[in-house]
Amino acid sequence: GEDVEQSLFLSVREGDSSVINCTYTDSSSTYLYWYKQEPGAGLQLLTYIFSNMDMKQDQRLTVLLNKKDKHLSLRIADTQTGDSAIYFCAESIPHKLIFGTGTRLQVFP
Amino acid sequence: DGGITQSPKYLFRKEGQNVTLSCEQNLNHDAMYWYRQDPGQGLRLIYYSQIVNDFQKGDIAEGYSVSREKKESFPLTVTSAQKNPTAFYLCASSDRVDQPQHFGDGTRLSIL
Repeated sequence: GEDVEQSLFLSVREGDSSVINCTYTDSSSTYLYWYKQEPGAGLQLLTYIFSNMDMKQDQRLTVLLNKKDKHLSLRIADTQTGDSAIYFCAESIPHKLIFGTGTRLQVFP
Repeated sequence: DGGITQSPKYLFRKEGQNVTLSCEQNLNHDAMYWYRQDPGQGLRLIYYSQIVNDFQKGDIAEGYSVSREKKESFPLTVTSAQKNPTAFYLCASSDRVDQPQHFGDGTRLSIL
């Protein structure tokens, strides 16, 4: 069935890189997404990658896609306290997104 | 600014009452969606609409209803048949179905 899995927590020191990992099950996904959610807020689209790409870089964000292993990662360079939030991975299947349960990123000084 | 506006931010429902959550977008998107988020969980799709006057059930449609009379608006009604309505409700839109979705700020619904 459709399933997206993420680890629940990640804690990093300010200035270090963060890597958030995700695995998905549907090999027919067209896009894979990363969303950020701050407390009490909606989801902010951070970045997305087409399934025929293996890497996308956007300023401090790098997305890596291993289609063979169905593994997606989000690297945040020079992590700041403002990056503290929940990060959701999502895969697109016809007419909907399947979300993971989210990874809570905590950045400490 | 273009975006998605959800209202109200907080809503309280009494037993046996229907309540309606508003979602308006000015992005000229064809597709709109409603999701439910429970604590510690990802989002689950309630309903989606690809075009005006058309909508489809998602994974958890029971106890909910929607309408799509205008391109900009996709209200969600939580009916008394929904026995566990307490959750955070998120509306999203996209240019077309299967394109990147953009989200509103959500409505938090609680039971009195």
